[in-house]
Amino acid sequence: AQSVSQHNHHVILSEAASLELGCNYSYGGTVNLFWYVQYPGQHLQLLLKYFSGDPLVKGIKGFEAEFIKSKFSFNLRKPSVQWSDTAEYFCAVIPTLYSGYSTLTFGKGTMLLVSP
Amino acid sequence: DTEVTQTPKHLVMGMTNKKSLKCEQHMGHRAMYWYKQKAKKPPELMFVYSYEKLSINESVPSRFSPECPNSSLLNLHLHALQPEDSALYLCASRSPGAGGELFFGEGSRLTVL
Repeated sequence: AQSVSQHNHHVILSEAASLELGCNYSYGGTVNLFWYVQYPGQHLQLLLKYFSGDPLVKGIKGFEAEFIKSKFSFNLRKPSVQWSDTAEYFCAVIPTLYSGYSTLTFGKGTMLLVSP
Repeated sequence: DTEVTQTPKHLVMGMTNKKSLKCEQHMGHRAMYWYKQKAKKPPELMFVYSYEKLSINESVPSRFSPECPNSSLLNLHLHALQPEDSALYLCASRSPGAGGELFFGEGSRLTVL
């Protein structure tokens, strides 16, 4: 089974600072990778996803992530954060090949607090 | 239509009540999932249905009973729950094709008194 590790549980930044959230996964085969965001009291929203091709993927709200296969990493970045980016961020991974036993596994999450 | 619809959005129930959560998708997906999410925690997998058959039960207590009546519907029947079962319950679906993206509903927020 796969596992996901997020490096930071809490990150505090000032507005306009740059953001990088770390994510590493462990799995013996090919995977699809995701970043989700959850604003306080709200539902999960997909920020971006990687299936194949260009390892640098762009998502909504100015976020991007880079898949580095050799490092089993999928770090999330944003050049300049805003107060409205305050939220919980989850990295997730699922095996590429479908089976009735393949599931989406989440990291423990990183709470980002952006101060105005 | 890329939506997964969950009802009700909010549910308050007593420990002796019987209630159900409902999930519906019309994307032709043949895998459907229930996740449970406590505050400030990641979603935790509860059940997976693949082609309307239960393929994964993550040792969930029997007071939670899933049902997949057809390929578009997924229910979660609740009976004799405990206050610690209060959480956001998320439904998701996935196409068997390569890609692997799960489409999540907005969740049903359950409070057990």
